Parts: sequence; C-alpha cells; structure tokens
Amino acid sequence: NAGVTQTPKFQVLKTGQSMTLQCAQDMNHNSMYWYRQDPGMGLRLIYYSASEGTTDKGEVPNGYNVSRLNKREFSLRLESAAPSQTSVYFCASSEESGVTGELFFGEGSRLTVL
Amino acid sequence: LAKTTQPISMDSYEGQEVNITCSHNNIATNDYITWYQQFPSQGPRFIIQGYKTKVTNEVASLFIPADRKSSTLSLPRVSLSDTAVYYCLVGSTGGFKTIFGAGTRLFVKA
Repeated sequence: NAGVTQTPKFQVLKTGQSMTLQCAQDMNHNSMYWYRQDPGMGLRLIYYSASEGTTDKGEVPNGYNVSRLNKREFSLRLESAAPSQTSVYFCASSEESGVTGELFFGEGSRLTVL
Repeated sequence: LAKTTQPISMDSYEGQEVNITCSHNNIATNDYITWYQQFPSQGPRFIIQGYKTKVTNEVASLFIPADRKSSTLSLPRVSLSDTAVYYCLVGSTGGFKTIFGAGTRLFVKA
C-alpha cells in the first residue's frame, strides 16, 4: 500500500503564481487534512475534510483553497503565492474523525515562494 | 481546545529509558491523549494513544495520572534511531482542529 501520496515533493514559485498540491490516499479513509510546518515549529492545520463532499477551515486557512475531489483525493490550491507561504505541506488522512482517529501522513511537499 | 506544554528538547544516551512529560491542564472529559513521532523530512507517525491509566504497545508506554492533567510518554532503551521530534496532542472525536504544538526534540547520543 502506498498510503498517502503527495505531489509534487518540491516546488519553487514566484510571488503571485498559483499552484495546486495533490494528495491521494488508498486506505479508504473518510477524513483528510492539509497541514503546514514552518522550520522548528509544529504542524498547523490549514483545511480539513471530514468526509467526501465536505471541507472546513482549520487554524490557518487564509490564502488557500481546497477541493475534496472524491473519497481518495484532497487538493490544496494557492491562488496567488506569497513568500509567507514558504513551508513544508503535509497531507494526512484518518479513518475515524478528529483527534482520536490515527492520522496517516504523506511525506510532505516542500514549497518555496520567491 | 486543550493546550499542551512539553519540554522543547531532551538529550539521552543509547540504552536509557526516556520519559517525556506533557501538561494539559484544560483537558476535557471526552479528550484522548495521542503522541506522534516525526523524523526529519518525514510526516509525523502515530505512536500511542490513551484516555486514562497506562497504555503499552510494542514501541512505547503512556502513563496518565488520575486527574489527566498531564501524561508521560516512556520510550524504553532508546537507540540512535529514536532521535526525532515527539508531539503530544489532546482532543476528542470530531475535534478536527488538532493542535500539534512545537513538540519535544529528543536527541539520542551514542
């Protein structure tokens, strides 16, 4: 099993450019999440999708949009990238909802905005 | 959401037992305590979860006192490969807005 797969693994953008981070899970999980992690810090929740067809804001949603394309896929879009969005982005999924459900993470996507 | 407080960093030597304590004074009745491990350039990985008393698995033990205002992750006989950041999370089913915090950086020396 691949688990949670994120693409791309690395990306460099110029300020104002747009891009979409893709995430897919093959564990038939209901819930999916996008986090960002800045150097030396913990993970901060950007958006989550409790189930297919639903999305909701997390702790730091500004500047991002998401789409739960189907049960497997959850994408994160930056419409107009800013240097403050330079970070490592992690996608995660869980079978159960919320904190009591074990989160399975992807390997991360490292984004640099110049 | 219950806030958690952990030491920023800890050092240990191979073969020692390591105990990392997390404070969560505002834990709610329905909250569980979960610990994750993160290696450099990887996503976090689930280690253990508990509600009260003691939980043990093949990797670690989790001790939770009766008042549940703190918890201790115990790693027996650590090795160099246990060098990582360890996060304590507190929350309940349906609590999607998980807060990871800065975690505890454990450095295991030879």
